[in-house]
Amino acid sequence: GAVVSQHPSRVICKSGTSVKIECRSLDFQATTMFWYRQFPKQSLMLMATSNEGSKATYEQGVEKDKFLINHASLTLSTLTVTSAHPEDSSFYICSARDRTNLRTEAFFGQGTRLTVV
Amino acid sequence: SQQGEEDPQALSIQEGENATMNCSYKTSINNLQWYRQNSGRGLVHLILIRSNEREKHSGRLRVTLDTSKKSSSLLITASRAADTASYFCATDGNKLVFGAGTILRVKS
Repeated sequence: GAVVSQHPSRVICKSGTSVKIECRSLDFQATTMFWYRQFPKQSLMLMATSNEGSKATYEQGVEKDKFLINHASLTLSTLTVTSAHPEDSSFYICSARDRTNLRTEAFFGQGTRLTVV
Repeated sequence: SQQGEEDPQALSIQEGENATMNCSYKTSINNLQWYRQNSGRGLVHLILIRSNEREKHSGRLRVTLDTSKKSSSLLITASRAADTASYFCATDGNKLVFGAGTILRVKS
C-alpha cells in the first residue's frame, strides 16, 4: 500500500527555537497533504491543508505565522513550528492523498512527538 | 473543528466478544472512513464507506452508514487482545475531519 514517511519521529527542542517536520509520500504523488495535532488521549485536530504549489489553508484558531507549512513538491510537505513554547508540545501527524483519486483513503505518517523544554 | 462524535468514549470487552462503536456527524459527506491508532503511533486505515453505500464488510469488520441520520457504526466481531487501540471515524467532505474516538480494550 501507499506509504507516507514522517520525520523525525521524536524531537526535543528548547523554548524559542524552531522545529521542522517533514512529510513525504514515498510511492505516490500527493496534491494535498493535511497536518493534524493530537493531544494525549484526544482526537486529531486538523491544523491546515497543504496544497502543492500554493499557500496552505489554515483552520480557525491556528496561527499561520507560528505553524509554517510549505508544500514545494508533489511528494513533500513540511511543517515548521516557529519559536516553540512548551504548550506546543504535542503529537503532530501528516496525511496525504493520492492525486489520481482524491476520494479515497488518506495515508498517514507515523507522527512526530514534539517536546519543548 | 471536529464534526464527529463517537460513542462510547471507552469500551472494555472480553476476547471473543463483539465490539460496536458509533459515530455521528453534522455535514454532508463524500465518504466516511474508520481508522485505528495504537498508542502514540500513526493511524491505520481500516475501511471506507461511500455515501451511497449502506453496509460494507472487511474481514472481521462491518461498517454501516445511515446518511439520513448522519451516523455510522463499526462492528468488530470475535475481538482479540490485539484489537486494543483507539478507533476514529473520519468524515470526508473537502477535508478529512475526525471524531473524538473510542478507546477499545480487549481483555484476554
